[in-house]
Amino acid sequence: ELKVEQNPLFLSMQEGKNYTIYCNYSTTSDRLYWYRQDPGKSLESLFVLLSNGAVKQEGRLMASLDTKARLSTLHITAAVHDLSATYFCAVAYGGATNKLIFGTGTLLAVQP
Amino acid sequence: GAGVSQSPSNKVTEKGKDVELRCDPISGHTALYWYRQSLGQGLEFLIYFQGNSAPDKSGLPSDRFSAERTGGSVSTLTIQRTQQEDSAVYLCASSPGGGGTQHFGDGTRLSIL
Repeated sequence: ELKVEQNPLFLSMQEGKNYTIYCNYSTTSDRLYWYRQDPGKSLESLFVLLSNGAVKQEGRLMASLDTKARLSTLHITAAVHDLSATYFCAVAYGGATNKLIFGTGTLLAVQP
Repeated sequence: GAGVSQSPSNKVTEKGKDVELRCDPISGHTALYWYRQSLGQGLEFLIYFQGNSAPDKSGLPSDRFSAERTGGSVSTLTIQRTQQEDSAVYLCASSPGGGGTQHFGDGTRLSIL
């Protein structure tokens, strides 16, 4: 059974600080996604990681993938209040169907 | 439209009633997915459509749940004889197919009284 674990579940941090969210998954997959969700809103795609060692960056967010360790990280650099949201990782399974198993989500609160 | 459109945005109904939720995917996207987001279970896959192929129904929680996709575009998720545990946000997503990134609609918040 494919399981996706995310930690921490809740992260309160100050503006200007750095932190990392971790996403572990239990079986092989060739695609891993990161999504952002604001309260009452839908999921916004941030990154898709396709291969071992893949690294993608957008603004203050950087995502990486280690398929051997079955681990992805989302690193936040010099956090700002606008980054406050819930972040989900999702692992694709089912071959070409690309169904997603989501992690539990990390609620990020950036304090001014 | 520019994005995935879902209706209604909110639905409140009494236990035992049937409900229909609608999803209009991004034009040209051949793959369509339904997911459910609830406090207890997180985000769960329900059903997948790809073009004219038979849908993958492996995530449907019971036979009260069904879905159709007409003409390879609009999809309807139907829940019969609703139960309180069906209360959740139902999200629809579409992608170009072939493993492309899934783009989500704003969801339908379903509340069963």
